[in-house]
Order: sequence, then structure tokens, then C-alpha cells
Amino acid sequence: EAGVAQSPRYKIIEKRQSVAFWCNPISGHATLYWYQQILGQGPKLLIQFQNNGVVDDSQLPKDRFSAERLKGVDSTLKIQPAKLEDSAVYLCASRSVGTSFEQYFGPGTRLTVT
Amino acid sequence: QQQVKQSPQSLIVQKGGISIINCAYENTAFDYFPWYQQFPGKGPALLIAIRPDVSEKKEGRFTISFNKSAKQFSLHIMDSQPGDSATYFCAASNYGGSQGNLIFGKGTKLSVKP
Repeated sequence: EAGVAQSPRYKIIEKRQSVAFWCNPISGHATLYWYQQILGQGPKLLIQFQNNGVVDDSQLPKDRFSAERLKGVDSTLKIQPAKLEDSAVYLCASRSVGTSFEQYFGPGTRLTVT
Repeated sequence: QQQVKQSPQSLIVQKGGISIINCAYENTAFDYFPWYQQFPGKGPALLIAIRPDVSEKKEGRFTISFNKSAKQFSLHIMDSQPGDSATYFCAASNYGGSQGNLIFGKGTKLSVKP
């Protein structure tokens, strides 16, 4: 089966600009996660969707970050306006509902804010 | 209480040696402990995982040892190979209460010398 797809793979923007990332999860996976991975650290959850509903967005900086999952499949994560500290890799992961706990990660989008 | 502490930060092992990475947690509600492997430019991939009802799980050269009373778990890589050179993350989750959100350690960069 195809893995989690993300685009773009790399993005360079100036601070105060906006940026959007796209994720296509594994077919049939109802749960979708967005993580932020700062260089030298482990991934940190930003938001979790179950189908097209938000389950947990407690760590999402809502003043500048937003995310949506239309029709319960693809998802977009947006940052507006970007700050220097937003430079990181943004990872999307998906999981099948059921007994499997495994999360499948995409390759990530590396964002550099200058 | 939500932290997962991982050590060492980096590790250099000779080919054929044993690599050992340790993690500690505080939240006794955690009930799922995976290890993820991440190569440069790639997303994390599940390596092996354990539930707290067993003290050890082995898959090929990879073994998780779990000490519930000490709230610690470790990854052992036997017969380490240069291809094992990657960053390893431990994680923990309370699937019963948090919809499966993973809390990651900060990672260990493993280098296996030929």
C-alpha cells in the first residue's frame, strides 16, 4: 500500500509570510496527526483528527496555526504569520482505527523561516 | 508528568557490538511504548513496541526490556550494523485515555562504525 504523502518536501519563507503543508494519509486510515519536529528533538503533536473532526489540538498555537481535514481524507496545515521559531520539520502521520496502535509517518516538510 | 526522558543523546558502537538506549517515564497511565527509527530526510518508522503486561519483547536483533516498577524501558540492538546508524526515539502513550497521542523522547543518534 502507498505510504503517507506530504508536500512540499522543502519550503523557505521569510518571517511574517504564510505557508501551507499538505498531507494525504494511507487509504482507509481514519486518524491523522500533525507533528512538529524541531532539529535535535523528538516529534511534538500539534493536532489530531478522527475522520474530519478534531480530537486534540491542545498544543496547536491557534493564533498562527490552523489545520483542516476536509472529507476526512487529505489535510492541510497552515501557518500565518510565520516566526523564526517555526523552522522545523512538519510530519504527518496516520493510523487505522482498531487494534493497531502503529502510526505511519510521512517524509515530512522541512520549513525554514528566515 | 507527560515527559519521556531518553539517554544517551548520542552513541557510537563498533560493528557487531550491542547498542543500548534507555528511556524513563513518569505517567503511570501510559500503556504503549514504541521505539521509532528515523533516517535523515525520512519520517520516523516503527521499529518495535511493547505493552506493560510483558517485561521483554524481541524481534530479530531488536529487544525491548520493560521495567514497570522503575518506569523505565530500553532498546537493545544486538550485533549492531552500519545500516543501523540512525536516530532512535522512544515514545509512550495512554491509548485508553488520550486517543493514542505519542509523547516522544528527544532521540538518540546512533553511529555504528565498521
